[in-house]
Amino acid sequence: GNSVTQMEGPVTLSEEAFLTINCTYTATGYPSLFWYVQYPGEGLQLLLKATKADDKGSNKGFEATYRKETTSFHLEKGSVQVSDSAVYFCALRVNAGGTSYGKLTFGQGTILTVHP
Amino acid sequence: DGGITQSPKYLFRKEGQNVTLSCEQNLNHDAMYWYRQDPGQGLRLIYYSQIVNDFQKGDIAEGYSVSREKKESFPLTVTSAQKNPTAFYLCASSMSGSETQYFGPGTRLLVL
Repeated sequence: GNSVTQMEGPVTLSEEAFLTINCTYTATGYPSLFWYVQYPGEGLQLLLKATKADDKGSNKGFEATYRKETTSFHLEKGSVQVSDSAVYFCALRVNAGGTSYGKLTFGQGTILTVHP
Repeated sequence: DGGITQSPKYLFRKEGQNVTLSCEQNLNHDAMYWYRQDPGQGLRLIYYSQIVNDFQKGDIAEGYSVSREKKESFPLTVTSAQKNPTAFYLCASSMSGSETQYFGPGTRLLVL
């Protein structure tokens, strides 16, 4: 089956620190990979995505590279801000028809807190 | 403004009561989804619908029911058979064939 494993949280950083949140996956077929962000009390927003091996997704200073050889999609940001404090979810979607069409499989989420 | 709305923001359920969570979208999306979020866990798929008048069970459908009578609407009913309904419920939608799902703001369900 499909699964996503994220690094244990919570993660606490000072402003301008470097961020890495690890994400590894197992999947049948060829997945697309996503990072979603959830701010307190809100729904999820798509942060970035990558659809094939070696693709790099990027948005708002965040980056993640689809590594097929290590089945990983680690999220990075060079300099975090207080406003980046949120829960980050790694997810995959297998590009296949049938009952798995459109279904996202999520990791457990990583809470990030950034202090001034 | 296009988007997904969920109501109410908070919902309280009594023992043995069925409650219905609303999800409406004006994005003209074909597919709609319901997820459940529990603390420290990722989202788990309850039901999804790819087209009007059709829907499929997700990973944790027991104790829930849905309908899809209109393209814009995908209400979720939490029945009395759901023994642990306290959670944050998220609705999402996507264009047919698109990988990107757009999420609503969520409804928090609490049991009295």
